This record gives sequence, structure tokens and C-alpha cells, in this order.
Amino acid sequence: DAGVTQSPTHLIKTRGQQVTLRCSPKSGHDTVSWYQQALGQGPQFIFQYYEEEERQRGNFPDRFSGHQFPNYSSELNVNALLLGDSALYLCASSLRLSPLHFGNGTRLTVT
Amino acid sequence: DAKTTQPPSMDCAEGRAANLPCNHSTISGNEYVYWYRQIHSQGPQYIIHGLKNNETNEMASLIITEDRKSSTLILPHATLRDTAVYYCIVRVATDFGNEKLTFGTGTRLTIIP
Repeated sequence: DAGVTQSPTHLIKTRGQQVTLRCSPKSGHDTVSWYQQALGQGPQFIFQYYEEEERQRGNFPDRFSGHQFPNYSSELNVNALLLGDSALYLCASSLRLSPLHFGNGTRLTVT
Repeated sequence: DAKTTQPPSMDCAEGRAANLPCNHSTISGNEYVYWYRQIHSQGPQYIIHGLKNNETNEMASLIITEDRKSSTLILPHATLRDTAVYYCIVRVATDFGNEKLTFGTGTRLTIIP
């Protein structure tokens, strides 16, 4: 049973560019959440998707957007990249009240 | 969500029990205590959660004080693979909102051979 898978594992972008990160949830899960983890910090909640809609959002600007597809997979898009967007981006999936299952993340470096 | 306080780092000898404390003095009656850990270069891994009774699973035990203001995660026989950052989080469990976890900086546990 595959867990949460994320792609790519590493990515280097230039300031001002746009990036798309992808996530496939654990089998049987229908809710996807995205987190940003800066170096030395705990993960911070970006937003949550359920039934292809954004249900909750953390304190992140509109440059961060997402999408959930009918097969429950999800994308995270970040526009107009800043140096401060460099971080590990984690995807987590869940089903109702079940605990979150996290992927191993995408390491984004903005130069 | 209630705030949690954890020691920044701890060491434990391999084979001994690792006891990780967490203070959550402002916890509400409907907030659960969750524990996750993050091994270097991996995503966080769920360990255990509880409301007011002590809980045990194949990974660990969770002891919550009677007043619920603090808890202890116990890894009964620590191995080198248990070296990780451990996060204690309190959260109301609802249909929507269970996913919005507030992580602090956690406790960096190092298992010593």
C-alpha cells in the first residue's frame, strides 16, 4: 500500500518564477493538506483540500494556490517566487478523523 | 489551539526508555494530544494521540496527567532509529480541521549507542 508520494523531490527555481508541486494521497484518503517547513522550524499549515475545494487556509499569501483532482491527488502552485519561499513542502493526506500521513516532501530552493 | 512547551533537546541511551515531556496548561476539554516525529529528511510520522486516558500502541505509550495539563510520550526500548524531532500538538478533532496542525519546534531526541 503506497503512502503519500510527492514529486519532484528537489527543485531549484529563480526569483519571480512559478512552481508546481504534486502530491498523490495514501490509498483510501480523500483529504490533502499542504505544509511549508523552513530550515530548523516545524511545519506550517498552508491549506487543505477536500472534494476539490479549499476548505481551510493558513496565513499564506494568495501567491500560494492549489488544486485537487477527482482522483484526490493535489497540486500546490506558488507564483512570483521569493527567496523566502525556499523550504521543504510537505503534503499530508487523511480520511475524516484519521491522523495525517505525510509524504517526504519537495525541497524547493529559490535563487 | 492550545500552546505546547517541550524541551529543545534530550538524550537517551539505546535500549532504555525515552520519556519525552510536554506541557499544555491551557488545553481545552475537547482538545486531543497528538505526537508526531520527524526523522531527518523525511516527513513527520504519526505516533499516537489521546484525550484523557493513557494510550498505548505498537510504537509508544502516552501518559496524560489527570488535570490534562501535561503529558509524556514513552518509547519503551529506544533504538538508534528513534533519533528524531518529536512534536507534541494539541488539537480539536473535527471532521474539518483535523488537518490544520500547529507544529512548534519540538524536542530533538538523540539516542546514544
